[in-house]
Amino acid sequence: GAGVSQSPRYKVAKRGQDVALRCDPISGHVSLFWYQQALGQGPEFLTYFQNEAQLDKSGLPSDRFFAERPEGSVSTLKIQRTQQEDSAVYLCASSLGGDLGFGEQFFGPGTRLTVL
Amino acid sequence: AQSVTQLDSHVSVSEGTPVLLRCNYSSSYSPSLFWYVQHPNKGLQLLLKYTSAATLVKGINGFEAEFKKSETSFHLTKPSAHMSDAAEYFCVVSVGGGGADGLTFGKGTHLIIQP
Repeated sequence: GAGVSQSPRYKVAKRGQDVALRCDPISGHVSLFWYQQALGQGPEFLTYFQNEAQLDKSGLPSDRFFAERPEGSVSTLKIQRTQQEDSAVYLCASSLGGDLGFGEQFFGPGTRLTVL
Repeated sequence: AQSVTQLDSHVSVSEGTPVLLRCNYSSSYSPSLFWYVQHPNKGLQLLLKYTSAATLVKGINGFEAEFKKSETSFHLTKPSAHMSDAAEYFCVVSVGGGGADGLTFGKGTHLIIQP
């Protein structure tokens, strides 16, 4: 596709439910990033993939958060046993990246997660 | 470690007047610096970036920013505001070039354009 897409755009979950958020990066982009944006705040880094390898997961807030990119393209962010503090917009970004290290990150529209 | 501080949470200007959005950064290494804009219900869009080339960086839609190492600042300016500039603006720092490492965002500045 022309840009980064994310689905669903909106998700409402009851506390304790598991959720899965999907990201389709721009075709051919090596690097993929997940960010969490709480209401009124700037995005915060969660995790980074280079192809299928998860090179940095230092931003994941707890072991309830898990991300994967098994074939080096589509990525899924899974949150187990959701809590109210998980309510946020989850942003995905991709870049040509890789070892070059330079390049713009292109952001998707985000998934707004509301945990009741 | 790296961080950015956006000095104003809200800035209000009249249409046709200059815009100044202030940003200070902290980084242990020579940083790459960016400004992103976020319109309501739209994805983040890159306005401009500094990666150790020219200190005055020109971006899209008439925006520019100047990297001042002595002041650890990267303020965003535009000579004449347009109604379509109303949005949330984020100053961002990266240790690398921004393509292969996570970005560190400021808290954002909400730009309001008065008619």
